[in-house]
Amino acid sequence: DSGVTQTPKHLITATGQRVTLRCSPRSGDLSVYWYQQSLDQGLQFLIQYYNGEERAKGNILERFSAQQFPDLHSELNLSSLELGDSALYFCASSVAGRDSNEQFFGPGTRLTVL
Amino acid sequence: LAKTTQPISMDSYEGQEVNITCSHNNIATNDYITWYQQFPSQGPRFIIQGYKTKVTNEVASLFIPADRKSSTLSLPRVSLSDTAVYYCLVVWGSSGGGADGLTFGKGTHLIIQP
Repeated sequence: DSGVTQTPKHLITATGQRVTLRCSPRSGDLSVYWYQQSLDQGLQFLIQYYNGEERAKGNILERFSAQQFPDLHSELNLSSLELGDSALYFCASSVAGRDSNEQFFGPGTRLTVL
Repeated sequence: LAKTTQPISMDSYEGQEVNITCSHNNIATNDYITWYQQFPSQGPRFIIQGYKTKVTNEVASLFIPADRKSSTLSLPRVSLSDTAVYYCLVVWGSSGGGADGLTFGKGTHLIIQP
């Protein structure tokens, strides 16, 4: 158990819909990262938040957005869903500034778009 | 970031030592080498990180030659539960993961047989 929690575990929805994935980082971790893992693209970094502010962007689509709240939990919003958005979405957290590149990954949310 | 190249797959037997080599010819002075392990449908898990020479922890060793253009992850006495995908990453700075998301390649699928 990494200490990072994600909800829901599974999500099945239809094309064109909007969903919200939730992540709670490890206690004390200020950075939250979102990753997407699909069979064809592998594990890809989407976006990072640090203490409520967006810190880095990866391959995140314009239809996707995220935010980090004052209690440090984060939400990833996916809208106008397409079949190709079906994937495992992981949240990870870390304490920025530590002498390590260790990120702690949650169990993931499996999104299926029908 | 330096691109990494590692075997697509490897197999070995229980009780053997397994060495997975990763090439990173364009590694920069401030880059660190980090390895993650991922089991099916789970988030990646940090294994080890190093800058040069040798690093050892309770699960693995990491060997980095003087030119730092490659590195070798060594797993002693593997068991069936070590069957997983192993990712070699080059990250900026010792805490670079706190500034940017991690860039995962395809990884090495390690299969351990009885």
